[in-house]
Parts: sequence; structure tokens; C-alpha cells
Amino acid sequence: DGGITQSPKYLFRKEGQNVTLSCEQNLNHDAMYWYRQDPGQGLRLIYYSQIVNDFQKGDIAEGYSVSREKKESFPLTVTSAQKNPTAFYLCASSNPTNEQFFGPGTRLTVL
Amino acid sequence: GENVEQHPSTLSVQEGDSAVIKCTYSDSASNYFPWYKQELGKGPQLIIDIRSNVGEKKDQRIAVTLNKTAKHFSLHITETQPEDSAVYFCAASPWGGGSEKLVFGKGTKLTVNP
Repeated sequence: DGGITQSPKYLFRKEGQNVTLSCEQNLNHDAMYWYRQDPGQGLRLIYYSQIVNDFQKGDIAEGYSVSREKKESFPLTVTSAQKNPTAFYLCASSNPTNEQFFGPGTRLTVL
Repeated sequence: GENVEQHPSTLSVQEGDSAVIKCTYSDSASNYFPWYKQELGKGPQLIIDIRSNVGEKKDQRIAVTLNKTAKHFSLHITETQPEDSAVYFCAASPWGGGSEKLVFGKGTKLTVNP
């Protein structure tokens, strides 16, 4: 069953802690993306990776970090430097014709 | 960079009526325009897309039109049903044969009243 999985579905973090959000895909896509979604807002790009071992900053990369050691995996770390991390985080991957497919999302809440 | 404006932000229709959502974009290099449907608490789902070499595309009750001269594209849903209720996002991308970034509009919350 092909698709994109994100875990956990819900995540709670204390202020000052780093947390890592998981994203895995078995669609054999080269490109992967992380977006942040706030209530009433569109999707804003955090980081993207077009190929293994390479990634670029998106529009709101400050306070986040990523790695792309495997084609299937693109984890996102929300660091303590991110001042307002409470949001819905979405991972996506795209095929060579640029069709992007999204995972189910992780809702992060800072306590 | 690209900027995508989407209107209206909310739309309420009666079941069976049509719904139209409009988007404008700023970058003339953009040539790929997808539409996504997002249900509450879920990830967006790609429902239809259009590329700049065509002016209209249909898939059952949904259609998308593109006017490259005016830099706007629209989503049309006919014979709306309650299950069409969701948030819809448009996006634009300067697709160049590889994997390019999408720039999203802020979404339209569609409510279909039974």
C-alpha cells in the first residue's frame, strides 16, 4: 500500500525542548517537502529536498532543521529556537511531473 | 517570487448548486496549477490539476479553467454534495520538468448545506 506516513499524529512539547517529526514515503519519489499550517492560513514551506543528501530552506526555515540520509525518509526537527512552534505539520513528496502528495500530518502543541 | 491570492475565503452553497473558487498568481513562469481538498484534521488531497498548455480540464463534477493572459485559474464544482464540504487550496508552480516548489493560496472553506 503506497503512500506517505507521518508520526506521531499528536505531539506535545515543553518549551525549550527539541522534537523530531517523522516522515516516510514508499512512493519512490525523489523530492520531499515539509510545510507548516496555521489556522486560517495556507501551507508555508519550511524545507524541501529534491534528492538524497541535499535539501534547501523554504520560506520559514528559521528554528527548524532537516536531514535526508535516505530516499524514503525526511525527518523534521523543531528546535527550541522556533518561537511559535504550535501548528499542524505536513510532509509531502512529489513525482517527476510535480504532482505533490501529502501525509496525514502531525499536530504539535507546545505546553 | 510567486504570490497566489485565493477568493473567497468562505463559501456556503445549497446542495445541488455549483461552487466556484478563484485564484490569481503573479509569476508568469508558473505553468502548473493543482487544487487540493483538505478535510478537518487530515492532509490535503490532490483533486485536479492543470498545466499551462490547456485551458480547461474536467473530472466528473469538478473542472478547472486557466487564463494565462490574465493569470488566473478557477475551480468549478457542480451538483455539490455535503461531502464536498472541506477547505480547498489552489497552488502554482514554475514546473520545469523537475520537482519544483508549490506556492499555495490561503484556502476557501466550502460548506454545502443539505
